[in-house]
Amino acid sequence: NAGVTQTPKFQVLKTGQSMTLQCAQDMNHNSMYWYRQDPGMGLRLIYYSASEGTTDKGEVPNGYNVSRLNKREFSLRLESAAPSQTSVYFCASSNLFGRDEQFFGPGTRLTVL
Amino acid sequence: QKEVEQNSGPLSVPEGAIASLNCTYSDRGSQSFFWYRQYSGKSPELIMSIYSNGDKEDGRFTAQLNKASQYVSLLIRDSQPSDSATYLCAVNFNNDMRFGAGTRLTVKP
Repeated sequence: NAGVTQTPKFQVLKTGQSMTLQCAQDMNHNSMYWYRQDPGMGLRLIYYSASEGTTDKGEVPNGYNVSRLNKREFSLRLESAAPSQTSVYFCASSNLFGRDEQFFGPGTRLTVL
Repeated sequence: QKEVEQNSGPLSVPEGAIASLNCTYSDRGSQSFFWYRQYSGKSPELIMSIYSNGDKEDGRFTAQLNKASQYVSLLIRDSQPSDSATYLCAVNFNNDMRFGAGTRLTVKP
């Protein structure tokens, strides 16, 4: 079992460029999440998918879009990257939405110049 | 506004001592509580979950929950240098999971 995988591990973008962060889980979990982590700010929820076919905004959704491609995969897209989106991005999954422990991927370190 | 507050630290304890990490939360209706450990440059991993008032023990770790005081803590007994990490408190209310900013713990040999 790989758990939760994310690609890429590192990325540097220029302002205005777009990119998609990929996430996949092999634990047959129903719910998936995208977080960003900034120094001193903790983890903040960007978007989540409570179950296959649904997505909802979290605490900080502006500038992002998501797609729940199937039960395993949940992608995060930055349409026009801004320096304020420089952060570490974590994907997570859980069996029961909101109540269960979440399992995290290794993270993507994104720098926007 | 749902808030989860932790002392940022750093908290420094000698090897073999008890480390005490604290977390307060603002939403009185919060239902489930989690402690995650995060090593530098790594992703968070779950240490403990607790859902009802009182203590829950797992090896060297004890989570304590007091819903009346809106307070959850993590005790680490016989602290080891390998426990040096940032500890994140997470609180769930109505499927909205909020994380604290974390407390950095250093265990000195």
